[in-house]
Amino acid sequence: DIQMTQSPASLSASLGETVSIECLASEDIYNNLAWYQQKPGKSPQLLIYYASSLQDGVPSRFSGSGSGTQYSLKINSLESEDAATYFCLQDSEYPPTFGGGTKLELK
Amino acid sequence: EVQLQESGPGLVKPSQSLSLTCSVTGYSITSNYWGWIRKFPGNKMEWMGYISYSGSTSYNPSLKSRISITRDTSKNQFFLQLNSVTTEDTATYYCARYVYTTDYYGGYFDYWGQGVMVTVSS
Repeated sequence: DIQMTQSPASLSASLGETVSIECLASEDIYNNLAWYQQKPGKSPQLLIYYASSLQDGVPSRFSGSGSGTQYSLKINSLESEDAATYFCLQDSEYPPTFGGGTKLELK
Repeated sequence: EVQLQESGPGLVKPSQSLSLTCSVTGYSITSNYWGWIRKFPGNKMEWMGYISYSGSTSYNPSLKSRISITRDTSKNQFFLQLNSVTTEDTATYYCARYVYTTDYYGGYFDYWGQGVMVTVSS
């Protein structure tokens, strides 16, 4: 299985700041990566697919980039509603595998 | 709008079978793929498997001998059965729609249920 190493495990940031979350794959996943946001008690929400494609309805302050084995999710101009856990999912190789998650706290 | 809702017992005894239902509204399960994912205490997530629009299935090799995903198209529901559960199967179970695209021969889960917490304990 492809291992997805996500970092950091947690981070704290202020309103208006910009943050980045990384996912490192154990082998090339050819941009086959999605990013999700999950709030407590809620279902995961798709933010980004194919590494950099923004899902309909997702604010443009979210963006994804990367290639090969290294991918990142950037959130510009943090808002209070962005406090959540974020995780990545690779679907390049069976079985699909997830990153360990990043808990984002707003100061 | 596509909506998914999991249902099933929240407590299962060790060695028994875990059975969950995913009810889908707003979209037919005879299109796309429909999967089960679980999130363990500590937040590790695992893809369990899915059932396709045609009824074919694919399972995580780690579960292959214990898992079965079936469906009832007349009720627009699909089901998870996991046999011989242990305490390590304690998790929150999610159902989700999987979109596969030939644009890049991959996909993603775009609609998820709220999740159901299942505890395995005697």
